[in-house]
Parts: sequence; structure tokens; C-alpha cells
Amino acid sequence: GAVVSQHPSWVICKSGTSVKIECRSLDFQATTMFWYRQFPKQSLMLMATSNEGSKATYEQGVEKDKFLINHASLTLSTLTVTSAHPEDSSFYICSAPKGALYYNSPLHFGNGTRLTVT
Amino acid sequence: AQSVTQPDIHITVSEGASLELRCNYSYGATPYLFWYVQSPGQGLQLLLKYFSGDTLVQGIKGFEAEFKRSQSSFNLRKPSVHWSDAAEYFCAVFMIKAAGNKLTFGGGTRVLVKP
Repeated sequence: GAVVSQHPSWVICKSGTSVKIECRSLDFQATTMFWYRQFPKQSLMLMATSNEGSKATYEQGVEKDKFLINHASLTLSTLTVTSAHPEDSSFYICSAPKGALYYNSPLHFGNGTRLTVT
Repeated sequence: AQSVTQPDIHITVSEGASLELRCNYSYGATPYLFWYVQSPGQGLQLLLKYFSGDTLVQGIKGFEAEFKRSQSSFNLRKPSVHWSDAAEYFCAVFMIKAAGNKLTFGGGTRVLVKP
């Protein structure tokens, strides 16, 4: 079964509203979670690294105020797309390693959230 | 620049035929390499990985990949594809960085299987 749960799986919102996406680790504690964005027929681009109890680390070119990340507990990270616009429409995927992220750490992915902004 | 390249955006193969997906990486240190599959409506699933040792690695679903350091490649293969292999495939390299370790993905290859 899934060890990382992402909710919702799809959401449609109006331009100018905010949308929150949740990523939960179900049977392990995740001090770090990753948020990816995937444009249609393109690769997964790392947006930010979510760190429990501290600020997220954003990749270059990702707007911090646009994509708010909160990692308030060891099993939950949230991504809030603020004042969404049609260009924010995309597939958002979270992932979490069991333990610290190292090359041999099992990395579990959520099933993704399809965001459509009208 | 450190990156992962999958030269083929789309590949169409007949059911029962062999499949090879190309992956080239650019990374200055020891590469830790992965192949993932993404089926419609499903999350990413790890097919196989290479850390060290035997350069030919076996994965799930009958897939294998060969690491060639001289060519900076990690190509994925399957001798005989099944219709259920139609999906998007991503090569990825794990990068160790002072700013934080991360998994970087290639652009993906979409595989279509003809009956």
C-alpha cells in the first residue's frame, strides 16, 4: 500500500484563490519531504525541500510567496498555491525518504495532485 | 552543468518486441542512478537502481539497465514488452550537494505499445 498519501488527487479552482495540497507519510516519520512540479509531457522539476520545524528550501526560480510550504509535523507537509493563476495549472508530486535522504534511502512518492486553475 | 538527459521523448514499440530507453548523465562525482516508471493515475514506481558493483542491474517487471561509465549512460532495457509497459519512464541521478541532497530527473520517455 501507499506509504505517502497526497491529497487531493485533483482540484479545480478559480483564478485568484488559494489551494492547499497535503502530503502525509503514513507509516514513517519524514523530517524531509520534497515537492515536485510536472508540466504536461515533461519531467519532474524539484520545487522545494520541506524541512520539519524549519523553513523550506526553494529551488532557484521558484517563488516562495507563491508556493507556501509548511512542514509542521513529522508526518505532514503542505503546499499552498497562493493567488493561483492558470499558469500554475500543473501536476504536483510530493516525495519523502525514510530517514535522511541519501542515495540508498527508500524514496516514496505520492500519487500526485492535478491542479487546474480556471 | 549537472543533468540527466533522455534523448527520446517518445518511443513506439510492438508488443513482444524489445525495448531500450536511453539515459545520459552529467555528474562530476560517483553517480547513483535510478529508473522510475509513471503509469497514468499512479505515482512513480522504482524499477531499478545502480550504486556500485555489477554494471548490469536487474529490476522489477523484467527490466534491466546497464551502467557504462565511459559513455556516462544508464540505458534501460526489456527483452519483450507487454501492453502494460506503456507508461512514462524517468531516469534519475542522486546528487550529493552541500546545499542538500537531491534526486534529479531526466525529461522522461513516453512508451507506446502497439498490439
